[in-house]
Amino acid sequence: GAVVSQHPSRVICKSGTSVKIECRSLDFQATTMFWYRQFPKQSLMLMATSNEGSKATYEQGVEKDKFLINHASLTLSTLTVTSAHPEDSSFYICSALNVENTEAFFGQGTRLTVV
Amino acid sequence: AQKITQTQPGMFVQEKEAVTLDCTYDTSDPSYGLFWYKQPSSGEMIFLIYQGSYDQQNATEGRYSLNFQKARKSANLVISASQLGDSAMYFCAMREEDDKIIFGKGTRLHILP
Repeated sequence: GAVVSQHPSRVICKSGTSVKIECRSLDFQATTMFWYRQFPKQSLMLMATSNEGSKATYEQGVEKDKFLINHASLTLSTLTVTSAHPEDSSFYICSALNVENTEAFFGQGTRLTVV
Repeated sequence: AQKITQTQPGMFVQEKEAVTLDCTYDTSDPSYGLFWYKQPSSGEMIFLIYQGSYDQQNATEGRYSLNFQKARKSANLVISASQLGDSAMYFCAMREEDDKIIFGKGTRLHILP
């Protein structure tokens, strides 16, 4: 199956710094990518939908200026957590929709810890 | 209102038995897709099976089958001959016409030896 690579898998950063997470579709073009956040023992919460070449669509309650999303090419979307705080600590996972819209391929996820 | 409802937070099943994980959904879109994913403790999301709203037959993938009852808006996952390695969280998800994929709260499945 298709592969989505997410990097880094784990990151620890200090409060106030920014962290960039990359999501790459390795063998297919993804016009649409999604960013999710998952708290321990909870479901995936959709944060935003990332469309290549246009602004991301954020879900209600997600701060646009806090979570910057850039989908610069058909194979790369990035999520930048700006001025991170301990409450931003979470598991972030991206997915890319295939052209047929029949499968969403997920990255490996990024565990962010803000200290 | 929840769009995806998984009513079983946890299930315990004896190895080699079949197990059904429930999922109901709510949408007014005529075209939509339903997914099931497995998430082991490592966190990765493993795609299991997909059912399109216009598909005439229930989807099957190896030991996984999707019991799609459109009128009832249910899309239950059936795992036949369960194995110890099936122990994980299972998420039902739906893609609507805006292409957003929304997840249910999940069911934690425990396979007992």
